[in-house]
Amino acid sequence: AQKVTQAQTEISVVEKEDVTLDCVYETRDTTYYLFWYKQPPSGELVFLIRRNSFDEQNEISGRYSWNFQKSTSSFNFTITASQVVDSAVYFCALSGERGGSYIPTFGRGTSLIVHP
Amino acid sequence: EAGVAQSPRYKIIEKRQSVAFWCNPISGHATLYWYQQILGQGPKLLIQFQNNGVVDDSQLPKDRFSAERLKGVDSTLKIQPAKLEDSAVYLCASSPLKGELFFGEGSRLTVL
Repeated sequence: AQKVTQAQTEISVVEKEDVTLDCVYETRDTTYYLFWYKQPPSGELVFLIRRNSFDEQNEISGRYSWNFQKSTSSFNFTITASQVVDSAVYFCALSGERGGSYIPTFGRGTSLIVHP
Repeated sequence: EAGVAQSPRYKIIEKRQSVAFWCNPISGHATLYWYQQILGQGPKLLIQFQNNGVVDDSQLPKDRFSAERLKGVDSTLKIQPAKLEDSAVYLCASSPLKGELFFGEGSRLTVL
């Protein structure tokens, strides 16, 4: 069984602060994939990143960075110099591979509120 | 490139009535997913199709929910009869094989 835990229900920061969203996962698969999605108030889930279990290299994309640590089963997401437009619900997801396709299991999400 | 299309965007029905949601995935995407997202929770997978075959429907309440994917393209999700606890956003997503999921805007269902 797969499980994703996002312990932070809601985080509130002031613009320009850095913020880290935590994600801890459980899986018995040796090959698996981790994702982060953003859900702005409009409701559509937007893909941010996918990592596979064999690639523990951290990744940076502009103000976004991701820290994947297999030893602690964590895949944390940091936004540097947060902006009001970053306000959204962020979901971490985990997927094993079944028949060539993913079946992602989502966490409960972390609501990020960035105040001006 | 056109995204995942869903309709209707909003639906309000009385309990015990029926409702159907439609999804048109991104062209060429083999895999199609229906998720249920209850307010304040993460999306929960209801059913996954690969082409027109079902990969996983273990969390689909089959006594009231049904889904089909015609000719491996469009899909419909039906609820009959609806219960109050079915109030949620129903999200459709599609993906190429071994690719990330692309989501539609969702269909918000309110059951009174």
